[in-house]
Amino acid sequence: DVKVTQSSRYLVKRTGEKVFLECVQDMDHENMFWYRQDPGLGLRLIYFSYDVKMKEKGDIPEGYSVSREKKERFSLILESASTNQTSMYLCASEKGLNYGYTFGSGTRLTVV
Amino acid sequence: GQQVMQIPQYQHVQEGEDFTTYCNSSTTLSNIQWYKQRPGGHPVFLIQLVKSGEVKKQKRLTFQFGEAKKNSSLHITATQTTDVGTYFCAPGRNTNAGKSTFGDGTTLTVKP
Repeated sequence: DVKVTQSSRYLVKRTGEKVFLECVQDMDHENMFWYRQDPGLGLRLIYFSYDVKMKEKGDIPEGYSVSREKKERFSLILESASTNQTSMYLCASEKGLNYGYTFGSGTRLTVV
Repeated sequence: GQQVMQIPQYQHVQEGEDFTTYCNSSTTLSNIQWYKQRPGGHPVFLIQLVKSGEVKKQKRLTFQFGEAKKNSSLHITATQTTDVGTYFCAPGRNTNAGKSTFGDGTTLTVKP
């Protein structure tokens, strides 16, 4: 089975800190995605990548950046964390176009 | 990405009752995927439908893709407490660079 591993299950950070959320997949998937999930707002796409060093903005990229230096790793960066970035962050990978997403277990980030 | 509307937002049923969630698009979809997210968990891929009028079954779950490929449904026969969770539909993307989107989900609760 494909595994998508997110580095932390729970994270508490202070306002203004730079925050790194790491995601690693072990099955050579081409595409990787970052979403945030908030009650009543569903899954919102932040950034995605369909190749190493490639990145595309999703629907809510403001305040975030990403890095994909290696195929298996896709990092989400909060440049200066703010309280409105408190959320559940979900990483997903996809073997190729429309193969179906495999999600990680999520990181619940609290910014205080 | 292509937008879909999912209804209802919530459904409460007695164990043993049937349940249906609908996913509707104003445009023709190339394919549609369905996911289940258990409480406290992450979305898990259930199935993909590609052909017009396609019907697929997984035990008590029946998935349908409309003839016009603009709507889809997930029907659960005789719900069980293990069916509790949120069901999301996700329209297929046309290119790798296309944004992935999800419906807002239908949250099912089952009263024993």
